[in-house]
Amino acid sequence: DIQMTQSPSSLSASVGDRVTITCQASQDIGNYLNWYQQKPGKAPKFLIYDASNLETGVPSRFSGSGSGTDFTFTISSLQPEDIATYYCQQYNNLPFTFGPGTKVDIK
Amino acid sequence: QVQLQESGPGLVKPSGTLSLTCVVSGDSMSRSNWWSWVRQPPGKGLEWIGEIYRSGSTNYNPSLKSRVTISVDKSKNQFSLKLSSVTAADTAVYYCARDKDGSRKLDYWGQGTLVTVSP
Repeated sequence: DIQMTQSPSSLSASVGDRVTITCQASQDIGNYLNWYQQKPGKAPKFLIYDASNLETGVPSRFSGSGSGTDFTFTISSLQPEDIATYYCQQYNNLPFTFGPGTKVDIK
Repeated sequence: QVQLQESGPGLVKPSGTLSLTCVVSGDSMSRSNWWSWVRQPPGKGLEWIGEIYRSGSTNYNPSLKSRVTISVDKSKNQFSLKLSSVTAADTAVYYCARDKDGSRKLDYWGQGTLVTVSP
């Protein structure tokens, strides 16, 4: 299985701050990476596919980049409604595997 | 609007079989989508369990493959999960999700259902 790691595991930032999360794959996955947002008690919400493409309806303050083994997820200006845990997920190989998540909080 | 809704017993005894159903509305299971099950133990991350296509073709996570069966009932527009020989480690919120056209984007999810394994 492809192992996914994320850093940091949690972070606190102020409203309006730029927030960056990194995701690393244990082997080359090309750009076959999704990002999800999960708010407490809710199902994950699909945000980004193919590492950098924003799903329809997702605010443009969210973005993703990277390829191969190293990926980045960015919130350009943190909003209160962005409080959530963010997961990366590879789909280069089955089984699909998720990163352990990064919890984002407001300072 | 696509909606998925999980249902099934919230409590299963150890060594028993967990059975869940996901009813799909706003989309037809006869279309070219894959349908997945994902679980999340309390306070932990997400684990993909497996998926099924309209034809009945399946892919399973090798870590669970010996215990998992996913099936589809196109006439009822639903698909199901069975997980046998459960232990406390199988306690989790179970989600069903749609993978549109095999794009590998899990774009719609059910609300999730908590299944607890306990005597």
